[in-house]
Amino acid sequence: DTGVSQDPRHKITKRGQNVTFRCDPISEHNRLYWYRQTLGQGPEFLTYFQNEAQLEKSRLLSDRFSAERPKGSFSTLEIQRTEQGDSAMYLCASSLGHLEETQYFGPGTRLLVL
Amino acid sequence: GDSVTQMEGPVTLSEEAFLTINCTYTATGYPSLFWYVQYPGEGLQLLLKATKADDKGSNKGFEATYRKETTSFHLEKGSVQVSDSAVYFCALRTNAGKSTFGDGTTLTVKP
Repeated sequence: DTGVSQDPRHKITKRGQNVTFRCDPISEHNRLYWYRQTLGQGPEFLTYFQNEAQLEKSRLLSDRFSAERPKGSFSTLEIQRTEQGDSAMYLCASSLGHLEETQYFGPGTRLLVL
Repeated sequence: GDSVTQMEGPVTLSEEAFLTINCTYTATGYPSLFWYVQYPGEGLQLLLKATKADDKGSNKGFEATYRKETTSFHLEKGSVQVSDSAVYFCALRTNAGKSTFGDGTTLTVKP
């Protein structure tokens, strides 16, 4: 399977704990995006990378959130001191990097903060 | 800022009925427009796209035309099937970065 993969698919944690999610994009895709989706709403942009450079961050991305893409391949999204409001589906997408390219989405990581 | 407004759901249709899901947008610049579909238990999949005014995107019997004058990108299908039951998201992108999505419309097709 050469699609976007995410790990884990589900995560249950207690409030105050730190969590880390991983995204593996489609091979050779330069751009990688993170979105958050809550029930009944569409995905909301969080941040994106061009290779290893983080080019844009949403105001939704508080200082408890950090994302990295150290070698321009996989990416990690870490949430520190989780809150119940962080419960959501976290989606990763990748694209080739051209102006009007298609973004391919992974299956998502569903986070539940108790 | 950019925004997308979709017809509220849920939408329930009988098999072979005609489908329209309305989508309007607000954006600076000249956005590309997309429809994504999310089947139960699966991730978002691109259904169709249009990158400039008057372009028509089509796929799997679905169509949408980029209407700049009405800032709309309505999704249509002439005859829906039970297998079309899913959540449909309209989205725009004005640069090579983030996409802005609508809240989704749930379609249920009954046999």
